[in-house]
Amino acid sequence: GAVVSQHPSRVICKSGTSVKIECRSLDFQATTMFWYRQFPKQSLMLMATSNEGSKATYEQGVEKDKFLINHASLTLSTLTVTSAHPEDSSFYICSARVGTKGSDTQYFGPGTRLTVL
Amino acid sequence: AQSVTQLGSHVSVSEGALVLLRCNYSSSVPPYLFWYVQYPNQGLQLLLKYTSAATLVKGINGFEAEFKKSETSFHLTKPSAHMSDAAEYFCAVSVNSGYSTLTFGKGTMLLVSP
Repeated sequence: GAVVSQHPSRVICKSGTSVKIECRSLDFQATTMFWYRQFPKQSLMLMATSNEGSKATYEQGVEKDKFLINHASLTLSTLTVTSAHPEDSSFYICSARVGTKGSDTQYFGPGTRLTVL
Repeated sequence: AQSVTQLGSHVSVSEGALVLLRCNYSSSVPPYLFWYVQYPNQGLQLLLKYTSAATLVKGINGFEAEFKKSETSFHLTKPSAHMSDAAEYFCAVSVNSGYSTLTFGKGTMLLVSP
């Protein structure tokens, strides 16, 4: 099946620093990847849609200058949390789309636990 | 716009008992429906999906779900629970015919006791 990896799995950083999270599709090419955020005991909230070779599409309320997304290749998307603050602490999960329109599926990475001190 | 309601944030069953996790959806267009499972500190794994073919969908690990349009429901069931089924389960909906943009329910934690 389609495998998606994320790195790092866990990161702790100081307030004000930036953190980069990588999402890779290991055995397939993904023109579209998604970034979600999950607070404790809550559901996944879509942050943005990452499109290879073009700008990401952000959901309402998500600051694009704070959450920088780059999708430079068909197998890699990165999320950079800039000037992180404690309220940015969360579980960040990416997914990659497989399949054609109307019959596609999202495969999810294992997530990255971000803790901002 | 679509939405998903999962009834019950926690469901407890005994090992060997029937598992029933409820999901109701709202969609102005024909939906695609999904069930995902999440183990602690891990990402989501697709259990099964409904894409307008058979209304009874069989997934992995013995789970199945039935799409009932009249009830706008897509409940997840498994005849006999195993300890390894203890996890968080998410129902999700997307728009039929387009690329999927998933809207998730709040999740249901399944607890399995010996």
